[in-house]
Amino acid sequence: QQQVKQSPQSLIVQKGGISIINCAYENTAFDYFPWYQQFPGKGPALLIAIRPDVSEKKEGRFTISFNKSAKQFSLHIMDSQPGDSATYFCAASLISSNTGKLIFGQGTTLQVKP
Amino acid sequence: EAEVAQSPRYKITEKSQAVAFWCDPISGHATLYWYRQILGQGPELLVQFQDESVVDDSQLPKDRFSAERLKGVDSTLKIQPAELGDSAMYLCASSFLRTRAYEQFFGPGTRLTVL
Repeated sequence: QQQVKQSPQSLIVQKGGISIINCAYENTAFDYFPWYQQFPGKGPALLIAIRPDVSEKKEGRFTISFNKSAKQFSLHIMDSQPGDSATYFCAASLISSNTGKLIFGQGTTLQVKP
Repeated sequence: EAEVAQSPRYKITEKSQAVAFWCDPISGHATLYWYRQILGQGPELLVQFQDESVVDDSQLPKDRFSAERLKGVDSTLKIQPAELGDSAMYLCASSFLRTRAYEQFFGPGTRLTVL
């Protein structure tokens, strides 16, 4: 119940295309769903986050779509650029709990070809 | 820009040896996390501190791992003895606001190789 499942494991997109990464969860108590971006040799960095009472959140070229009934959420990267090539992790958090710990998905390695 | 500092960046050790990793979180961040990231997987929480107190160490292998944050600032994670399966990236993160605990700031990590 504490797992977050992420797909695909890897993704290759042409420059200018749309990258889509999907995640699913089981625990309906999760109350925040962030996405993290990780470049080689670096730690993950927060990209964008959404609450389960919001169906969509957009920040620049990055959009989270959230489907509460299906317990799924996805990251869309519009007009994908070579600089977006990185590993992306979805996560779920229980802010309301004592710890607010993050449960990460397995990660998606994105390669954007010029 | 404030960053989470970690050292060393790389550590190679032989099994059964002791290793220690150090983390200095962003100033003012009361919550500190240690994660283990196995190659090709997402980070997994090992231990979480609120100031100097442990609030979650449910996934910490306590027979060989220990963590401390004595003054509520920097922290040390120790493995003794190291095993081959401990080879991974060890990430430290910190967060400021309890209500934004999903926003964690990660350091560059320590890559551990156990031979």
